[in-house]
Amino acid sequence: GAVVSQHPSWVICKSGTSVKIECRSLDFQATTMFWYRQFPKQSLMLMATSNEGSKATYEQGVEKDKFLINHASLTLSTLTVTSAHPEDSSFYICSASGLAGIGDTQYFGPGTRLTVL
Amino acid sequence: GENVEQHPSTLSVQEGDSAVIKCTYSDSASNYFPWYKQELGKRPQLIIDIRSNVGEKKDQRIAVTLNKTAKHFSLHITETQPEDSAVYFCAPMDTGRRALTFGSGTRLQVQP
Repeated sequence: GAVVSQHPSWVICKSGTSVKIECRSLDFQATTMFWYRQFPKQSLMLMATSNEGSKATYEQGVEKDKFLINHASLTLSTLTVTSAHPEDSSFYICSASGLAGIGDTQYFGPGTRLTVL
Repeated sequence: GENVEQHPSTLSVQEGDSAVIKCTYSDSASNYFPWYKQELGKRPQLIIDIRSNVGEKKDQRIAVTLNKTAKHFSLHITETQPEDSAVYFCAPMDTGRRALTFGSGTRLQVQP
């Protein structure tokens, strides 16, 4: 149980385009989803926290107009990188935590590797 | 915000030896202390966690110890195997805020 999927697993795009990444909890309802970014050989940095049906809370230094997060249902959150630039190239990972029985444990998706040319 | 320090940054051991990784945190409100293992290009996997009302937890070869007074917790791996080679992250959490703050990671290499 507690499986989280992400799509796509990798994407290459041209500078200036927008990219949407989906995060789904497959077998549980995720009241909260988290988006992280990880540069090569570095740690995971929390970008934002999203609760179903409400606006995401962004960490300091993360541009909310550039990284649009939508959490429209208890099983789906999306991250859209708008007007992507090469410096946005990174490994984006979501995690989800849910209701009773899972509690505070966060389960991670497999990640999406974004390369902006 | 939470300030997390993890040591050492790299650790090389011989197969069968023990490995210990230490994590120090600053936020006294933190009350959930997980350790994650991440292999190259893959997702972090929860390997063990402990809550603040417990001092030690063990799961086969893996154990975590917590010292809330000193604000540190440690990961202990005994009888290491080559497949234990990975990057390990501590990530203390304030369950009220529900956000993990990851340490900088420890690259563990187990030499056969």
